[in-house]
Amino acid sequence: DVKVTQSSRYLVKRTGEKVFLECVQDMDHENMFWYRQDPGLGLRLIYFSYDVKMKEKGDIPEGYSVSREKKERFSLILESASTNQTSMYLCASSPSGAKNIQYFGAGTRLSVL
Amino acid sequence: RKEVEQDPGPFNVPEGATVAFNCTYSNSASQSFFWYRQDCRKEPKLLMSVYSSGNEDGRFTAQLNRASQYISLLIRDSKLSDSATYLCVVRINTGGFKTIFGAGTRLFVKA
Repeated sequence: DVKVTQSSRYLVKRTGEKVFLECVQDMDHENMFWYRQDPGLGLRLIYFSYDVKMKEKGDIPEGYSVSREKKERFSLILESASTNQTSMYLCASSPSGAKNIQYFGAGTRLSVL
Repeated sequence: RKEVEQDPGPFNVPEGATVAFNCTYSNSASQSFFWYRQDCRKEPKLLMSVYSSGNEDGRFTAQLNRASQYISLLIRDSKLSDSATYLCVVRINTGGFKTIFGAGTRLFVKA
């Protein structure tokens, strides 16, 4: 079974703090993704990566950065957390190829106060 | 207009009922189609891929209509355990591939 592990299920941070969300996958997948999920808006892509040290902006990258130093790990960084970044954050991975089925981690519910 | 649109529901149905969800997509470069299921406070998981000829997996049937740009999911003989949010997912070839998730349709199956 594919396993995508996110480091925290719940996080509470203060405005202005630097926040790190970690994601590790164990299936040697090339592709990794970070989404946020908000009621009524569905999943919105923040950043993705097709290879080590490679990153591409998704639809809503503002206020976020990412790091992929190793194939299995993809980190999402909030440089200065703001209240509008309170959300559910989901990491996903997928093998390369046209079908590209994505496997998700359990999610991190981040509250910024 | 959203690239992938779904009726948010909720759909409230009794056990044993047949329920159908539709999803429309706007980009004609869409190549691959999927339904994911997301239980409350859990991550999305692939339910089934959608093939051009339509496909069935037990009580679930998925259909694709490229001409009208919509996909559908039919659930027969609904079970309580089918209660979840169903996400329509479209993969678009725009030079590179891009995956778009619909906002989901909530289903409640009641005894």
